[in-house]
Amino acid sequence: KQEVTQIPAALSVPEGENLVLNCSFTDSAIYNLQWFRQDPGKGLTSLLLIQSSQREQTSGRLNASLDKSSGRSTLYIAASQPGDSATYLCAVSLSSGSRLTFGEGTQLTVNP
Amino acid sequence: DAGVTQSPTHLIKTRGQQVTLRCSPKSGHDTVSWYQQALGQGPQFIFQYYEEEERQRGNFPDRFSGHQFPNYSSELNVNALLLGDSALYLCASRLWGGGGYTFGSGTRLTVV
Repeated sequence: KQEVTQIPAALSVPEGENLVLNCSFTDSAIYNLQWFRQDPGKGLTSLLLIQSSQREQTSGRLNASLDKSSGRSTLYIAASQPGDSATYLCAVSLSSGSRLTFGEGTQLTVNP
Repeated sequence: DAGVTQSPTHLIKTRGQQVTLRCSPKSGHDTVSWYQQALGQGPQFIFQYYEEEERQRGNFPDRFSGHQFPNYSSELNVNALLLGDSALYLCASRLWGGGGYTFGSGTRLTVV
């Protein structure tokens, strides 16, 4: 059974800091990994999708890396802003049609 | 381009009642999945529909059922509501066979 763990559970940083969020998964035979952002009480916004054959994806100030063999992914946020405050979730899929298995998220607070 | 649309946004039901939640997938998507997210936790997979059939199911009781219509929209039905069914219900769509998931804003169900 695939399990996804996110560390830390919560993180508070001053504005402008670069930060890294971690995601680990127990079954390395994943099809893809997706990072999401969730604002309080809202739905999920997709940030980055990494296919199993890829090592990283970038979008603006966000960079996600994937190391399948070690069962890890990191989300790097450069020059953090108060508007980045949200919960960040990672999720993995084991095949092209399969469900997403989520971690419990990292709650990020960026202080002005 | 409309994303995933869910209705209603909020709902309050009494224990023992039945509820129906609705989802319209993103334009061009043909696969719909439903997730339940309790407060402070990651989303949990309920089931997935493609070509009007349930393709995968998570660890949820038979009180949870669904349907997909020819236009790819979907409904989630929950019978005999329990207090523990109170959660944010998320609908996600994608193209069968690949690509990332797009999530809706969710329906907040409160059972009293």
